[in-house]
Amino acid sequence: GQNIDQPTEMTATEGAIVQINCTYQTSGFNGLFWYQQHAGEAPTFLSYNVLDGLEEKGRFSSFLSRSKGYSYLLLKELQMKDSASYLCVLNSGNTPLVFGKGTRLSVIA
Amino acid sequence: EPEVTQTPSHQVTQMGQEVILRCVPISNHLYFYWYRQILGQKVEFLVSFYNNEISEKSEIFDDQFSVERPDGSNFTLKIRSTKLEDSAMYFCASSDAGSNSPLHFGNGTRLTVT
Repeated sequence: GQNIDQPTEMTATEGAIVQINCTYQTSGFNGLFWYQQHAGEAPTFLSYNVLDGLEEKGRFSSFLSRSKGYSYLLLKELQMKDSASYLCVLNSGNTPLVFGKGTRLSVIA
Repeated sequence: EPEVTQTPSHQVTQMGQEVILRCVPISNHLYFYWYRQILGQKVEFLVSFYNNEISEKSEIFDDQFSVERPDGSNFTLKIRSTKLEDSAMYFCASSDAGSNSPLHFGNGTRLTVT
């Protein structure tokens, strides 16, 4: 089966940098997604890592290490609107996507 | 930017009643999905649909559930006899290239079963 672990909650200050970690266990691996979900809204796509390394997209970057079963989402220059849940989502290739429980990030002034 | 649209945004129904949740996926997408999210819990896969048939379904998607693509644009989820535990947010999603491409989610239908 597949298993995803990510912290339940994090708090960070406006303008700061925050790193949200995700570890996973799986028998197969195609890639790892990160989605953002504001309370009461739909998840929206942030990034998709297939190969090891860091992918940067504006203020958001995502890192993957397949050998360690580890990914992180890095958010820079935090803004209040970044307060949301961040979902680590595993594409194992042989089952439907598996969503983590999400990390609820609170950005404070 | 094209969007996935879902109706209604809220649905309240009595236990045992049938409900139909409607979705219009992005027009050039070929893969369609239903997910649900019980309040405070994680997003759970229900069913995927491709080439006019179900490609995968989860244990949640039992005989009470069905999906249909009645025309070239709509994609519906029917729950035949709702139970209290069916209360959740139901998200429709579509993608253009299966599991290796991002899912585009609709804004969801909040279903409350009383």
